[in-house]
Amino acid sequence: NAGVTQTPKFQVLKTGQSMTLQCAQDMNHEYMSWYRQDPGMGLRLIHYSVGAGITDQGEVPNGYNVSRSTTEDFPLRLLSAAPSQTSVYFCASREPGTGSDEQYFGPGTRLTVT
Amino acid sequence: AQSVTQLDSHVSVSEGTPVLLRCNYSSSYSPSLFWYVQHPNKGLQLLLKYTSAATLVKGINVFEAEFKKSETSFHLTKPSAHMSDAAEYFCVVTWRSGGYQKVTFGTGTKLQVIP
Repeated sequence: NAGVTQTPKFQVLKTGQSMTLQCAQDMNHEYMSWYRQDPGMGLRLIHYSVGAGITDQGEVPNGYNVSRSTTEDFPLRLLSAAPSQTSVYFCASREPGTGSDEQYFGPGTRLTVT
Repeated sequence: AQSVTQLDSHVSVSEGTPVLLRCNYSSSYSPSLFWYVQHPNKGLQLLLKYTSAATLVKGINVFEAEFKKSETSFHLTKPSAHMSDAAEYFCVVTWRSGGYQKVTFGTGTKLQVIP
């Protein structure tokens, strides 16, 4: 199993540009989430999904969109990038109801917006 | 609201000495608690978890954590620090609300190990 994969690993955008961060998992997990990591703030939840076709907002959703058309994929879209979105982005997946609640994280995408 | 507080943003220890990373939580529900480790430029890896079974939880690389409900704490310990333990550590609380699981991360503790 590849686990959780994210592409790209690094990205530089200009203010106002749009892009999509890709996330895929091959563990058939129902739950998937996007986090951003900023110094001194831990990980903050952007959006999450509890299954295909179902998404909801997390703690810091503004400026980001998500969709979940398949169990495997959970892309994160930045519609108009802003310097405040410079961060490291992590995708995670989890299988509910297993008694584990462990999240599996991707390697991250480091995004810089100039 | 549920929250988790990591009391130290940085901890520095000498190699071979004990490690203590502190975490306090606030939860109205029966929480699950986790410690994750992140090495530089890497993703997060699960160290250990508490899910209402034994209060003393053993994890990978000889790390342990004890769930103390009376103190609302879940401190991470290791008897003897190794250079490879230098990383950032996150305490995480999860709980169920509205049929879904919620999660909150602490702000992280950077562990420095001095040779």
